[in-house]
This record gives sequence, C-alpha cells and structure tokens, in this order.
Amino acid sequence: DAGVIQSPRHEVTEMGQEVTLRCKPISGHDYLFWYRQTMMRGLELLIYFNNNVPIDDSGMPEDRFSAKMPNASFSTLKIQPSEPRDSAVYFCASSSGTRGWRTGYTFGSGTRLTVV
Amino acid sequence: DQQVKQNSPSLSVQEGRISILNCDYTNSMFDYFLWYKKYPAEGPTFLISISSIKDKNEDGRFTVFLNKSAKHLSLHIVPSQPGDSAVYFCAAGSNFGNEKLTFGTGTRLTIIP
Repeated sequence: DAGVIQSPRHEVTEMGQEVTLRCKPISGHDYLFWYRQTMMRGLELLIYFNNNVPIDDSGMPEDRFSAKMPNASFSTLKIQPSEPRDSAVYFCASSSGTRGWRTGYTFGSGTRLTVV
Repeated sequence: DQQVKQNSPSLSVQEGRISILNCDYTNSMFDYFLWYKKYPAEGPTFLISISSIKDKNEDGRFTVFLNKSAKHLSLHIVPSQPGDSAVYFCAAGSNFGNEKLTFGTGTRLTIIP
C-alpha cells in the first residue's frame, strides 16, 4: 500500500483565494482525520469522518473551512477565502477504527500551505 | 484549552545516553496514550502506545511510563542514537464514543554525536 497520499505537497496562494487540499486514505481504513500543525497548538484536529460521514467537526476554525468525503478513497479540505493566519501544515490521517490505539493512525506527508 | 501538554519544546542529549521526553494531560477520561515521531517534511509515524490499565510498555530501546495519579507519561529512549533526532508528539484518546486523538505541541529532540 502506498500509504496516505496528500496533494499538493506545497501550496502558495494569495489572500482571498480558494484553496483545496486533497487526501487519499489507505484502502480499507474507515476513519479519516484532518489535522493542522502549528507551533502554538501542535497537531490540532479539524474534522474526522467515519465511513465517509463527518463525525466531529468541532475543530474547524470557522465557516471558511469545509471538508467533504464523497467516497471511501477521497477527501478534500477547502478554505475559502484563505487568510495569512491559515498558513500551516495540514495533515490527513486514516485508521481502521478497531480501537486502533495499539498502532495509531497513519499520516500522510502533509500539505504546507502558505497564504501571502 | 490544551488537554495534552508537552512543556519542553526542545531537548538535547548526548549519543548513547538516555533521552526522557515528558507529557502531562488534564482529562482523566483518556484511556490510552501514544507517542509519535516526526521527521522534517514527513508525517508523524507511530512509535509506541500504552493503555491506561498499564504503567509501563517497552519496545526495544523505547519505553513509555504512565503515572495516572499524576496524569503524566514519559518516553525513555535508551541508548539514544543520531537517528532519534526528530520531533516527538504525545497523544491521548478515549474509548468512549470516538476515535479521535488529542495531541500535544511536540518536543524537538536533538541527539549530539
């Protein structure tokens, strides 16, 4: 398995533009998570899905952020309009959900977003 | 409100010596704890975990200790090697109703050759 695949690896955009981050989870994993890494807050959960259904979006900072999972092999995180304070590394992760604490999630390599 | 705290942003240790990374939590409902390791430009990778019913778990050079009364856990790496230089994240989860993990802010470990 190629692991969790995120695209793009880097994104530089101007303030006010729409940004879409993409994620392909590991086949067979029924949980998908979006995290954001910042110096101040570390790894912060934004939203997670179970069987393509959003379960907890309490970490989504504001209405400018939205996430979808149209099928088991694809998810997007969209920011519209983007602001400089959204600059961070965004990680997608997946797990099999069998109380996977013994092995944890599998993370993608992340998307480094810079909003200028 | 940061429920999982790593109060040391960085730590430097001589190669061959013991590295001790610390983590504190505030939520007594957490049932399990994990450590992740992250290299630059890569995603975090799972290192070791421990259930709240145990106080120690060992895997090769890595040992995690849990002190529930103090709401504290630590990761010991013995002996430390240059390849251990990375950012280490502590994470916690609960068996009640959800799969999400709460992460700390990370500690950057540097092993000095």
